[in-house]
Amino acid sequence: SQQGEEDPQALSIQEGENATMNCSYKTSINNLQWYRQNSGRGLVHLILIRSNEREKHSGRLRVTLDTSKKSSSLLITASRAADTASYFCATDGSSSNTGKLIFGQGTTLQVKP
Amino acid sequence: KAGVTQTPRYLIKTRGQQVTLSCSPISGHRSVSWYQQTPGQGLQFLFEYFSETQRNKGNFPGRFSGRQFSNSRSEMNVSTLELGDSALYLCASSDGRASTGELFFGEGSRLTVL
Repeated sequence: SQQGEEDPQALSIQEGENATMNCSYKTSINNLQWYRQNSGRGLVHLILIRSNEREKHSGRLRVTLDTSKKSSSLLITASRAADTASYFCATDGSSSNTGKLIFGQGTTLQVKP
Repeated sequence: KAGVTQTPRYLIKTRGQQVTLSCSPISGHRSVSWYQQTPGQGLQFLFEYFSETQRNKGNFPGRFSGRQFSNSRSEMNVSTLELGDSALYLCASSDGRASTGELFFGEGSRLTVL
C-alpha cells in the first residue's frame, strides 16, 4: 500500500493536555498536510508544511517534518473537547498542486472534558 | 463563498445496481477529486478532474467512473455495485494550479449497498 502509517491509532487525553500524533510516509514529497475529520463528516484542512520546512505553527498546532526519516508529527497544545476528531496526514507523493493525496490511516483523538 | 456540496448525502442501493453521485466545487475551483473512505482501507484516491479532463486516476476498477462539466461540477458513477462499495465517498475541490495544494472537502455521500 502507498498509504503511510499513523501512530497512535487512538489517543485519549484530558482537556488541557497536549496531544501528539505521528505520521510516516513512503515516497518523496513536495508537501505534507494534516486534516481533521469529525465523525463521518468531511475533512478540514489544518496545516501544510513544505518539504524544505522543518517546523510550522498555526495557533495551537505545531507540525514538524523530517524528510530524512519520512516522518511528521502534529502537536495540539492545550487540547479542548472540541478537538475530539480523527486526524490524518496526507502527502502529495511528488504530484504537487493536484488533487491526488495519499492519506495515512489516521489517529482518533478523544479529549475528555 | 459556498463550500463544496455533495448530493445525495445518504443512499441505499442493492447489489448490481448503479449509482451516480454529484459534487459542486467551490466557485472558481477547477479541480475536483474523489475519494473513497472505508473502515478497512481508509481514504483512497479515486480520480481527479481538472478543466473537464481526468488528470489523475487511482487504482480502482473500471466500474468506477467520473466526469466533469464545463461549470466544474463533477459526477462519479459506480456500476454493478458490490457489497464492498459501501463507503463514504468524499469530493474535494481546489484551484488545481500553483497554489498551496490544500483541498476543500464536502460532507460526503454515504453509500450503503445491500
